[in-house]
Amino acid sequence: QQQVKQSPQSLIVQKGGIPIINCAYENTAFDYFPWYQQFPGKGPALLIAIRPDVSEKKEGRFTISFNKSAKQFSLHIMDSQPGDSATYFCAASPPVGTSGSRLTFGEGTQLTVNP
Amino acid sequence: SQTIHQWPATLVQPVGSPLSLECTVEGTSNPNLYWYRQAAGRGLQLLFYSVGIGQISSEVPQNLSASRPQDRQFILSSKKLLLSDSGFYLCAWRGPGVPGELFFGEGSRLTVL
Repeated sequence: QQQVKQSPQSLIVQKGGIPIINCAYENTAFDYFPWYQQFPGKGPALLIAIRPDVSEKKEGRFTISFNKSAKQFSLHIMDSQPGDSATYFCAASPPVGTSGSRLTFGEGTQLTVNP
Repeated sequence: SQTIHQWPATLVQPVGSPLSLECTVEGTSNPNLYWYRQAAGRGLQLLFYSVGIGQISSEVPQNLSASRPQDRQFILSSKKLLLSDSGFYLCAWRGPGVPGELFFGEGSRLTVL
């Protein structure tokens, strides 16, 4: 019930390509869906987040698409650059005040963007 | 602005030795605090979280313990380290009443030999 399943585990694209990372969840009580970016040896940093009342959110080259009925959401990176090479985690959170409001993370996707 | 500090950044310890990792948050009050562990090439495993001083919730039974002696201080400890305790430990905080948005520290890499 608390799982967030993320795919693929790893992804290699050429510069300028559009990598897509997918996540699926089961708990319909989740109401906040962030994506984190992690560079080697660093802590994850919030990249972009979405709530289930919208189907898409864009911030710069990063877009989240959200499908509430399918319980799925995805991250698209437009015009990917070698500097985007990192590990990406999707996550989901229940409402504030529920079970410490702790995030459930996906297993992560290691993205490599070749020059 | 809020900042989170975590230390030490790197630690090499023998099996059976004690451990203390410390995390402090500045610029906020009454944060929710979290300890995560990340094995090499793997995801983030929540170990402990705290919603207030002295309040600790454990997610995974293990060789570790956590304490929160002050509002913005979170400590991860072990009395006797195991080889399996090796990993990248991350402290994180979230503002009270703010959903989902975690802010992570830089991490502490622990190698148990």
